[in-house]
Amino acid sequence: GAVVSQHPSWVICKSGTSVKIECRSLDFQATTMFWYRQFPKQSLMLMATSNEGSKATYEQGVEKDKFLINHASLTLSTLTVTSAHPEDSSFYICSAREGGFPSGANVLTFGAGSRLTVL
Amino acid sequence: QKEVEQDPGPLSVPEGAIVSLNCTYSNSAFQYFMWYRQYSRKGPELLMYTYSSGNKEDGRFTAQVDKSSKYISLFIRDSQPSDSATYLCAMGGLYAGGTSYGKLTFGQGTILTVHP
Repeated sequence: GAVVSQHPSWVICKSGTSVKIECRSLDFQATTMFWYRQFPKQSLMLMATSNEGSKATYEQGVEKDKFLINHASLTLSTLTVTSAHPEDSSFYICSAREGGFPSGANVLTFGAGSRLTVL
Repeated sequence: QKEVEQDPGPLSVPEGAIVSLNCTYSNSAFQYFMWYRQYSRKGPELLMYTYSSGNKEDGRFTAQVDKSSKYISLFIRDSQPSDSATYLCAMGGLYAGGTSYGKLTFGQGTILTVHP
């Protein structure tokens, strides 16, 4: 099946620094990837939709300048948390649409997630 | 009212028990339904995908959809300690195509523990 690789799996940084998280589709091309955020014991909250070659679409309440998304190729999307603060500490998960399902169906394959801790 | 409601549990059962997990939804536009399993500190993995009302079986897992009642269920037979995880229901609408895929809406997740 489709595999989505996410890196790093765990990152600790100082307040005020920027952190980049990579999401790669390993054996398929993903024109669209999705970035989610998950707090402990809570569900996934969609942050933004990453579109290859164009600007990301952010969900209401998500700061575009804080969470920079770049989808430079069909297999790579990156999320950069700029000037991170302790309240940005969370579990960030990317996903891509898996093939083999009806056209337009958003059956997603998820990466393993990246746990960000901002000190 | 949330679009998707899922009892967060936690749910604790003995090994071998039948587990029933449920979600209700309010948006009639949802056309396909999924169950994901998420182990601690990992990304969700797809367990079941269904499109039409009725039952779909895969090994010990059965997904049930009742569109008229806007209710979906996941049944786990002969539950094992390795089934201990958080189970998330997810659903979405069908789109005609193009690059503007619609988004998935997730339930809150049910924490399941199967003890030996």
